[in-house]
Parts: sequence; structure tokens; C-alpha cells
Amino acid sequence: EDQVTQSPEALRLQEGESSSLNCSYTVSGLRGLFWYRQDPGKGPEFLFTLYSAGEEKEKERLKATLTKKESFLHITAPKPEDSATYLCAVNTGGFKTIFGAGTRLFVKA
Amino acid sequence: DTAVSQTPKYLVTQMGNDKSIKCEQNLGHDTMYWYKQDSKKFLKIMFSYNNKELIINETVPNRFSPKSPDKAHLNLHINSLELGDSAVYFCASSQDLDKQFFGPGTRLTVL
Repeated sequence: EDQVTQSPEALRLQEGESSSLNCSYTVSGLRGLFWYRQDPGKGPEFLFTLYSAGEEKEKERLKATLTKKESFLHITAPKPEDSATYLCAVNTGGFKTIFGAGTRLFVKA
Repeated sequence: DTAVSQTPKYLVTQMGNDKSIKCEQNLGHDTMYWYKQDSKKFLKIMFSYNNKELIINETVPNRFSPKSPDKAHLNLHINSLELGDSAVYFCASSQDLDKQFFGPGTRLTVL
């Protein structure tokens, strides 16, 4: 069965303290891996799409990487406004996208 | 301009009632979705429509019936509401299998 697992469930960082979020997946075939950000009371907001192992994407303090079994979302020198839930999702080729449970990130000033 | 909109934002109702949630997208996308996010924040797909045709129905009870009058709209009707239906429901759209754009969500509370 296709599965997406994110770790840790929650992560507390001090402002400026870099870290990484993990998304491991077990799927029959990867069409694309997506990262979304979700703020409380709002819908998920798209961040990145990765299609093949070795691919990397960057946006401000965020960098997403992909291997054959997992993806990392690296956060460099985070700020309090980076606090949110980060969701990883995988599309295996059909119109079905499987989401992980998310990592709640808290960044303290 | 709002890309994906949902109404209502909050819905409080009694068990056994029937309710509908509306969704509209102005992005010109050909695929629309309904997701359910439970209290643990886990986002699970319910339905997927491509060019007004139902593509995915993820073991959702028959009490849930999606309707797509055109490519820009996907409504969700729920019959005989149960306590376990309480959740946040998100509508989303995408162009083919590309990134998805989500609506603001509808928080459904069944009493």
C-alpha cells in the first residue's frame, strides 16, 4: 500500500537554528513529490514540486531535496514567520495524491 | 482575486440533517478535488473530478455525493450527517497532475 510518513511530528526551533524535516515514501511509482505549507485555519499553500531523485528546489530559507525513498525540507536560519505545518504529498500517476500527516514547526524569537 | 473559494466557511448542524458545501475555482484548471482533514490534521482525499467526470472515489460513504455542473465548480452534498463527519473539508484544483491550489476550508460541526 502506498504510504507517506513525515517526521518529526513537531519541531521547536530557536530563531536562526537551522534544521530539516523528513518525508519518507513507499509508493508503487513516483509521478511527483510536493511540499505544502499550512497555516492555522487556512488551506495548504504550494511550496515545491520534485520529480526525480537528485532534484533540488529552493525558495528563500527553504530548500527541498529528493532521493529514491525520501525527501527533506531544509530550513536555514528560520524566522518566527516560518512557523506552520509543512505537508509532504506524493502523486503516483493517477489523480490521487497521498498526503503525510505533516510536521508542525514552531520557531521562537 | 480568490483562486479557489468555498462556502460556507463554517457549518454547524444537527445529526441527521442534509447539507451542501460549494466550491468554485477561477484558475481554468481541469481537475478538482475534495479532501477531509480530521482533528489530527491528516488530509485525506475523498473525490477527484477531471473535466467534470468522477475519477476518484476513495471509499467514501454513499451519504457523500459530489456534483460538478461545470469545470469551475465542484459541490459536495452530505446526507444524514453523523457525528464522525465533523472535520474541515477542503476543495482544491489543479491542471492535470500538477500542484494543487486549495480553498480556505469549511469547518463542519455536527452536534
